[in-house]
Amino acid sequence: GAVVSQHPSRVICKSGTSVKIECRSLDFQATTMFWYRQFPKKSLMLMATSNEGSKATYEQGVEKDKFLINHASLTLSTLTVTSAHPEDSSFYICSASLAGWEGTEAFFGQGTRLTVV
Amino acid sequence: GNSVTQMEGPVTLSEEAFLTINCTYTATGYPSLFWYVQYPGEGLQLLLKATKADDKGSNKGFEATYRKETTSFHLEKGSVQVSDSAVYFCALSMNTGNQFYFGTGTSLTVIP
Repeated sequence: GAVVSQHPSRVICKSGTSVKIECRSLDFQATTMFWYRQFPKKSLMLMATSNEGSKATYEQGVEKDKFLINHASLTLSTLTVTSAHPEDSSFYICSASLAGWEGTEAFFGQGTRLTVV
Repeated sequence: GNSVTQMEGPVTLSEEAFLTINCTYTATGYPSLFWYVQYPGEGLQLLLKATKADDKGSNKGFEATYRKETTSFHLEKGSVQVSDSAVYFCALSMNTGNQFYFGTGTSLTVIP
């Protein structure tokens, strides 16, 4: 099946620094990718929809200036957590969709565990 | 709006026990329904799906039937194994824009 690769899988950063997370579709082109955040004991919450060649669409309550999303090519979307704080510590996961003969299926990256100290 | 309500865990079962994880949904329209599994330290993997009412998704001994009348998509397995220990997420997608709505996840631990 299609593969979505997310990097890094784990990152620890100091408070006030920025962290970039990459999401790549390895064997297909994705015009749209999605970024989710998973809180402890809670569901994955959609943060934003990343559109190739245009601005991302953010969900209500998500700070655009803190979570910068860039979708520069059909196979790469990046999420940059700017001026990170401990409350940004979380599990971030991306997905890309691929239309097939059985309908559209989403493929998820491995996720990134961010710890801000 | 669209949402998924999933049985809360954690769930602990003995090997070979019967598993049911309840999932109900609310949707404006006709969604596709999914179960994803997340093994420790890994991302989400599609376990099974159903795209229309009365469809049954199945994989690795797991089954779920799309019940429109009860807006449910309960996950079942007749005999769980230790290797089934993971977090299971019920989800829906409206297929327009491919956005997914997830339940809270249910942690399953199977003990020998």
